[in-house]
Amino acid sequence: SQQGEEDPQALSIQEGENATMNCSYKTSINNLQWYRQNSGRGLVHLILIRSNEREKHSGRLRVTLDTSKKSSSLLITASRAADTASYFCATPGGGNKLTFGTGTQLKVEL
Amino acid sequence: GAVVSQHPSWVICKSGTSVKIECRSLDFQATTMFWYRQFPKQSLMLMATSNEGSKATYEQGVEKDKFLINHASLTLSTLTVTSAHPEDSSFYICSARAGTDYGYTFGSGTRLTVV
Repeated sequence: SQQGEEDPQALSIQEGENATMNCSYKTSINNLQWYRQNSGRGLVHLILIRSNEREKHSGRLRVTLDTSKKSSSLLITASRAADTASYFCATPGGGNKLTFGTGTQLKVEL
Repeated sequence: GAVVSQHPSWVICKSGTSVKIECRSLDFQATTMFWYRQFPKQSLMLMATSNEGSKATYEQGVEKDKFLINHASLTLSTLTVTSAHPEDSSFYICSARAGTDYGYTFGSGTRLTVV
C-alpha cells in the first residue's frame, strides 16, 4: 500500500516552542490518526480525527484535517523535552489496515 | 484502556533457527491483529493481517512460509520467523483495535537480531 508523506522528516526545536508536522495522504478516508513512537518502542495513539471534522484538540495537541487537499497537520504547543519522539500519521483502508506516513522525527532541546 | 502485550521485547538468535513472537490483547478481544515490520528510522510496513480462526492475509512481497502467523484465540496472535537470516533482523510490532471508535493499540515491539 502507498504510504503518505510527512514533512518535515526531522524537526529540532527548543523547549517551549510549538512544533508543526504535516501529513498528506492519497485516498479517501473515514478518519486519520496520529501516533507517537519513542525510540525502540511501540506506537501510542494520540488522536483520531474523522473525515467530517476539520479540527480537534487534545491537551497540547491540535490536529487539523483538510480532505479537499488530502492533508492533515499536528501541532504540539509549548513543547517539552519529553515530546522528543517520532510522529506518524496513519489512515485506515480496506480490511481496517492502517497505512502509515513516512514520519517526522521531533527533537525538543532544553 | 486497551492494552496489547508483546513478547519478547528483544531476541537474538542464530541464523537458521526460528523465533516466535507473541502478541496478546489483555483487556479486549481481537478478532483481527496486524503485524508490522520497521527498519531503523523508517516507517512501519504492514506484513500481514492475522485473523482469529482462519488463515492470515499477507501483504504483497511477504513470504508466508517464512513468517508464520497463528491466531488461535481471540486474545493471542503469534508470528514465527522461520529459518531466520541476518536480513530478517528488524523491529516487529503487532497491533489490534479495541473498537471502531478507537485508534489502534500497539504492542511494545520486538527487536530481532539474527547473528
